Amino acid sequence: GQNIDQPTEMTATEGAIVQINCTYQTSGFNGLFWYQQHAGEAPTFLSYNVLDGLEEKGRFSSFLSRSKGYSYLLLKELQMKDSASYLCAVRDSNYQLIWGAGTKLIIKP
Amino acid sequence: GAVVSQHPSWVICKSGTSVKIECRSLDFQATTMFWYRQFPKQSLMLMATSNEGSKATYEQGVEKDKFLINHASLTLSTLTVTSAHPEDSSFYICSARQPGQETEQYFGPGTRLTVT
Repeated sequence: GQNIDQPTEMTATEGAIVQINCTYQTSGFNGLFWYQQHAGEAPTFLSYNVLDGLEEKGRFSSFLSRSKGYSYLLLKELQMKDSASYLCAVRDSNYQLIWGAGTKLIIKP
Repeated sequence: GAVVSQHPSWVICKSGTSVKIECRSLDFQATTMFWYRQFPKQSLMLMATSNEGSKATYEQGVEKDKFLINHASLTLSTLTVTSAHPEDSSFYICSARQPGQETEQYFGPGTRLTVT
């Protein structure tokens, strides 16, 4: 079956760095996405990786290792507004998005 | 950037009634739209893929006669929850993909449905 694992909840301090991991087992691979979702709102797109390596976009970076079925989202200089759920999603061979359950990130002052 | 709207943003209805949710792509034509359902503290669950001018493709376990999807134009898809029950109470989100763009789906703001 298809499976995406990410931690349920993480806590970090304002100004610090946090890494949210995602491992996946899917039928085929056509890219991995990270989305941010604030409570009661729809997800917003953060990053897309299809090749191995690190993609940097401002305070956020995303890494992919296809051989290991592994990705992480790195958030630097954490701000209180970064408190949200972070969803990892993989596009499979049918171009369907398979979603992880999300990681709730709690930022403390 | 691409904008997707949903209407209504929230709705309360009585058990047994039907509710229609609209999803519109405001500044692009969306040949494909997706409907998701999200229960509290859970991830998004794809309900169906809607292609303009053809029947929607429903995911396993989703009743197509209960969740009617119509994609009559390149900018509008509708989801009708028929004979709603309290267990249908959820957050319904649509997303749209621009033709030729495979990297992103643009999400609507979601509709919170409460069935009493």
